[in-house]
Amino acid sequence: DADVTQTPRNRITKTGKRIMLECSQTKGHDRMYWYRQDPGLGLRLIYYSFDVKDINKGEISDGYSVSRQAQAKFSLSLESAIPNQTALYFCATSDPRGTGNTGELFFGEGSRLTVL
Amino acid sequence: DQQVKQNSPSLSVQEGRISILNCDYTNSMFDYFLWYKKYPAEGPTFLISISSIKDKNEDGRFTVFLNKSAKHLSLHIVPSQPGDSAVYFCAASGGNAGNNRKLIWGLGTSLAVNP
Repeated sequence: DADVTQTPRNRITKTGKRIMLECSQTKGHDRMYWYRQDPGLGLRLIYYSFDVKDINKGEISDGYSVSRQAQAKFSLSLESAIPNQTALYFCATSDPRGTGNTGELFFGEGSRLTVL
Repeated sequence: DQQVKQNSPSLSVQEGRISILNCDYTNSMFDYFLWYKKYPAEGPTFLISISSIKDKNEDGRFTVFLNKSAKHLSLHIVPSQPGDSAVYFCAASGGNAGNNRKLIWGLGTSLAVNP
C-alpha cells in the first residue's frame, strides 16, 4: 500500500462546482504539501502545513483552500472550480528529522482533475 | 524568475549509452540538490541527491556532479535502459530557510531511452 494516498485519482467536474481532494499518509511525517503540475510549468506549490495547527500559502494559493484535519490528513478544496484549474495535483510529505532537513519530499500518486 | 533551470525539455538516447541531464541554478545559497524521477500517472520519486560540500555522488548507474562555481549540476545515467524513460526533475533547497526549507523545482526533462 502507498505511504501517501490521494483520493480521488481522477475527477471530472463542471465550472463552479466545489471539489475536495484528500490526502492521507502513514509515514508519520509532520509536514504535508499540495502541488499542481501543468505541462511546461513543472511543479508549483499551492499550500503547505508543518503541523496540524500550521497552514501556509505557496506560490499559487488563489482559488484554493486547505484543511489539516490531523497529522495524517491534508485536504485541498476548490470552492468554485474553473477550467484553468485543470491539472494533475500531488500531495507530498516530508520529515526534516528523518532526512536531515534536506527538503526531500515523498509524493502521492496524483489526482487528475478536469474542470469543464 | 526560475531559480532552478532545466534548459532541455527532452532528451533521447540509445539503450546502453550515457544519458546526461543538466540543471542550472541561480541562488548561491542553495546547499542541497535532489533529482526526482516521474513516470506517467505516478508521483515523483526521489532518485539521488548531493550536498553542496561534495562535487560527486554515485548510486549504481546514477551519478550526480555538482559544479558550484558554475552553479551547474548534471545527472549521468550509465548505461541507460528503456525503463529509465521518464521525466527527471532537478530540485534545490537551502538559502536562509532555516528549519523551513522547501524545494525549488526545475521544469523537468523528458528522457526517452530507445531500445
